[in-house]
Amino acid sequence: ETGVTQSPTHLIKTRGQQVTLRCSSQSGHNTVSWYQQALGQGPQFIFQYYREEENGRGNFPPRFSGLQFPNYSSELNVNALELDDSALYLCASSLLTSGANVLTFGAGSRLTVL
Amino acid sequence: DAKTTQPNSMESNEEEPVHLPCNHSTISGTDYIHWYRQLPSQGPEYVIHGLTSNVNNRMASLAIAEDRKSSTLILHRATLRDAAVYYCILRDVRTGANNLFFGTGTRLTVIP
Repeated sequence: ETGVTQSPTHLIKTRGQQVTLRCSSQSGHNTVSWYQQALGQGPQFIFQYYREEENGRGNFPPRFSGLQFPNYSSELNVNALELDDSALYLCASSLLTSGANVLTFGAGSRLTVL
Repeated sequence: DAKTTQPNSMESNEEEPVHLPCNHSTISGTDYIHWYRQLPSQGPEYVIHGLTSNVNNRMASLAIAEDRKSSTLILHRATLRDAAVYYCILRDVRTGANNLFFGTGTRLTVIP
């Protein structure tokens, strides 16, 4: 079974620009979550998608948005980039069931905003 | 959401057992205890989870206190590859939400 893959692995943007990050879920998973990890911190939940709709969101502004596609892949879009958006962005997939959902994470996309 | 408390860092000698503690005094009856770890330059990796009873898998063991207010992740023989940040996380069994609160975890250093 394939794991979670993310692209690009690294990218550099300037303030005010927009960025799109991509994620392919693990085979058999139907839920995608995105996390932001600043240097030296633990990952912070951005939002979750199930059946192509957002069904949970953390404390992030609306300029963070996403999509989930019929094949369960996903995109994270960030508009009007700010310096503080520099971080590792992690995608995680899981099978949505009640109980102990186990997340499978990708290696992340490292975004630097100058 | 109930939160956890972990030491910032721990050290272990290679090939010795490691006990990583976690306090979760406000745990509810519907919270699972999950452990993930993050190796350098990688995303977090699932290690183990449990609800009430102690659990074993190929990676580690999880010992849960009888009152569930604390737990310990046990690596039976630490290797250099186990050097990572270990996160203890509570997850409500009633929801499918993946809004896990990671905190800052415990950074484990393994000494050769």
